Amino acid sequence: EAQVTQNPRYLITVTGKKLTVTCSQNMNHEYMSWYRQDPGLGLRQIYYSMNVEVTDKGDVPEGYKVSRKEKRNFPLILESPSPNQTSLYFCASSFVDRGNSPLHFGNGTRLTVT
Amino acid sequence: ELKVEQNPLFLSMQEGKNYTIYCNYSTTSDRLYWYRQDPGKSLESLFVLLSNGAVKQEGRLMASLDTKARLSTLHITAAVHDLSATYFCAVDNTLKAAGNKLTFGGGTRVLVKP
Repeated sequence: EAQVTQNPRYLITVTGKKLTVTCSQNMNHEYMSWYRQDPGLGLRQIYYSMNVEVTDKGDVPEGYKVSRKEKRNFPLILESPSPNQTSLYFCASSFVDRGNSPLHFGNGTRLTVT
Repeated sequence: ELKVEQNPLFLSMQEGKNYTIYCNYSTTSDRLYWYRQDPGKSLESLFVLLSNGAVKQEGRLMASLDTKARLSTLHITAAVHDLSATYFCAVDNTLKAAGNKLTFGGGTRVLVKP
């Protein structure tokens, strides 16, 4: 089954404790992206990647890191989480051909930083 | 900076009646996407609109794009309870060379009552 898999689904942590949210897709998509969703703000892009070893900042990259060492994986790293990073996070992927390729989203990771 | 606004933010519908959600955006783009999100779930792609005048229909939902007016509409015909969800439009930021740089609207929460 074609899918984007995020782990964990729920995560509660404390300020300053490094964490990683994993994302994996099995559709051979070149493009992968991370979004955060906050009430009333829609989805905002954190980082994206056009292909292996190619990453770029989105609209709200502060406090986050990413890496793209393999095509299928795109982990999101919070080196020193803070309470304002409490949010619902989505990973998404698609083909780079922008003609008719919507984003496929993972099931989300709800992060709480206390 | 691309801004995407949806109206209304909340829509209480009666079953059997017709309604429209509006999506306005601020800069040139010819690619617009509609997504649906059920509570606690991921986002599901509904429509991809790729050119001026594009119209797509699926069941009781119909989406259209007017790139000159920078407006997309999502029309719901004879609303049913199953359509209760939050609907997002997302605009491809063609100012960026990289593909799939989407900016999302704030979402329209739809509740269909008997």
